[in-house]
Amino acid sequence: DAGVTQSPTHLIKTRGQQVTLRCSPKSGHDTVSWYQQALGQGPQFIFQYYEEEERQRGNFPDRFSGHQFPNYSSELNVNALLLGDSALYLCASSLRKLGGETQYFGPGTRLLVL
Amino acid sequence: AQSVTQPDIHITVSEGASLELRCNYSYGATPYLFWYVQSPGQGLQLLLKYFSGDTLVQGIKGFEAEFKRSQSSFNLRKPSVHWSDAAEYFCAVGDYKLSFGAGTTVTVRA
Repeated sequence: DAGVTQSPTHLIKTRGQQVTLRCSPKSGHDTVSWYQQALGQGPQFIFQYYEEEERQRGNFPDRFSGHQFPNYSSELNVNALLLGDSALYLCASSLRKLGGETQYFGPGTRLLVL
Repeated sequence: AQSVTQPDIHITVSEGASLELRCNYSYGATPYLFWYVQSPGQGLQLLLKYFSGDTLVQGIKGFEAEFKRSQSSFNLRKPSVHWSDAAEYFCAVGDYKLSFGAGTTVTVRA
């Protein structure tokens, strides 16, 4: 049973560029959440996708956008990259249900913006 | 608003000694609480979770945590640490959206 997978593992971009990160959820999961983890900090919630729609959003600008596909996989897009966007981007998958979900995380994509 | 505070930034413990990591949370309703562990350069691995019921929760790798509503705490414990327990530990609270603490780095000395 494959867990959550993310690609690429590492990425280097320059300021102003755009980037797309990809995530495949754990088998049987239908919900994908994205988090940003800056160096030395805890993860910060970006947004969550369920049924191909953004359901919840954290305090991130609209330069951050996403998509969920019919097979439940997801993409995170970041436009007009800033130096401060350098971080580990984590994808988590879960099975949507009332009264508590358990999120399982992938290994992350490390983005460096120069 | 939901939030988590992990008061200890760094803890050093001897191999074989006990470990306790503190976590205090703020949440408007019945909290869903989690502990995750992160090894250097890796993603987060779920250690244990509390949704309801027994306030003492058992997890993987010999870890346990106790939920205390009166203290808004969810502290993580392990009776005897192994060198492989050296990592970053994160407490989190939430339902569809998780809020994480800043983490506690655990160093294990021989």
